[in-house]
Amino acid sequence: DQQVKQNSPSLSVQEGRISILNCDYTNSMFDYFLWYKKYPAEGPTFLISISSIKDKNEDGRFTVFLNKSAKHLSLHIVPSQPGDSAVYFCAASLLYGGSQGNLIFGKGTKLSVKP
Amino acid sequence: DGGITQSPKYLFRKEGQNVTLSCEQNLNHDAMYWYRQDPGQGLRLIYYSQIVNDFQKGDIAEGYSVSREKKESFPLTVTSAQKNPTAFYLCASSLGPRKPQHFGDGTRLSIL
Repeated sequence: DQQVKQNSPSLSVQEGRISILNCDYTNSMFDYFLWYKKYPAEGPTFLISISSIKDKNEDGRFTVFLNKSAKHLSLHIVPSQPGDSAVYFCAASLLYGGSQGNLIFGKGTKLSVKP
Repeated sequence: DGGITQSPKYLFRKEGQNVTLSCEQNLNHDAMYWYRQDPGQGLRLIYYSQIVNDFQKGDIAEGYSVSREKKESFPLTVTSAQKNPTAFYLCASSLGPRKPQHFGDGTRLSIL
């Protein structure tokens, strides 16, 4: 059973507009969340993270929002650029327990930013 | 430049053959990981190592083996027991549990 879900396989956005990528999780013990960007035939690149003690983290054009009660996080990219076109993965991890630090990944959302 | 190097980029295996994928990092990270990605899927954890000479099974360890004799190196062997080895394999490392994992560029393994 998937613990981290990205329900939209793809998203298309016009250049300059906002891209919103969504992620839901089922395990309330997850306390650290990350977003990765991946181009074909390359490894994922870390974008931004957020711990469960926060509800927002911002880094340049990228902002991650965390809603713990809804077990939902989202990545906002403003403004979107054609170079942002890639697959975006949401990941979550537990702080405690034998698997601390291990990441559980969603299946990804393919973002296409059109000029 | 610090980073994670995976080699080779493409690898072909004959039926019944073991193959070893290389992963080297010069980031001085303690933890290293191996993931498998299949088309349209997320990354699934094969094995991980939090410290030298210690490693643990991930979610899909059957048919794989690893070693961690040096901090910098975490090779993955895909054995003949792995019935569906065709996939994109990614190695990662991190400073610790609350730090981002950094990935290599992957090895694509195909069966001849």
